[in-house]
Amino acid sequence: AQSVAQPEDQVNVAEGNPLTVKCTYSVSGNPYLFWYVQYPNRGLQFLLKYITGDNLVKGSYGFEAEFNKSQTSFHLKKPSALVSDSALYFCAVRDSSGTYKYIFGTGTRLKVLA
Amino acid sequence: ETGVTQTPRHLVMGMTNKKSLKCEQHLGHNAMYWYKQSAKKPLELMFVYSLEERVENNSVPSRFSPECPNSSHLFLHLHTLQPEDSALYLCASSQDARTGGYGYTFGSGTRLTVV
Repeated sequence: AQSVAQPEDQVNVAEGNPLTVKCTYSVSGNPYLFWYVQYPNRGLQFLLKYITGDNLVKGSYGFEAEFNKSQTSFHLKKPSALVSDSALYFCAVRDSSGTYKYIFGTGTRLKVLA
Repeated sequence: ETGVTQTPRHLVMGMTNKKSLKCEQHLGHNAMYWYKQSAKKPLELMFVYSLEERVENNSVPSRFSPECPNSSHLFLHLHTLQPEDSALYLCASSQDARTGGYGYTFGSGTRLTVV
């Protein structure tokens, strides 16, 4: 069965420091992996995706994520955090078998402290 | 605006009321989805429509009734809801429900409170 785990409910980081939001997944076949961000009272916004190709994927707002097949991880990273990055981040996975189900994690709240 | 518009943004309804949530997209997408977002839970997929045909119904109680009259519009009809149905209801669309993996475009959601 497909699953996604975001082990941290909340991550706190000082402004200007690098940030990492963790995600691990379990899926049969090749995974399609996504990160979404949700600001208060808004829907989810697409940040980046991994389908195939380079393991390091670059996305919106300076975010990037690294696909690690051996560790079944897809951690979200940013070299220098901004206060405006504070939001709820969701990892999602879909398998490549042709189903249309995306499985979302429970979300990680990122707080960037000034 | 993200290209997917949901109305109303907020809704308070009694348990005996009937109301509808509306979702509209003009992105040329062929698939539309309803998700339920409750605090500290993963997003729950409720319904999937592909080319106006319902292709997924994830054991959702019958008090939730979806309708997709065309590929641009999606409704969620609500009746005799329970307080535990209070949540953020998100609509999303994608180019194709069955192929690719290009991600969703989400609306801003309807915050539903059942009293």
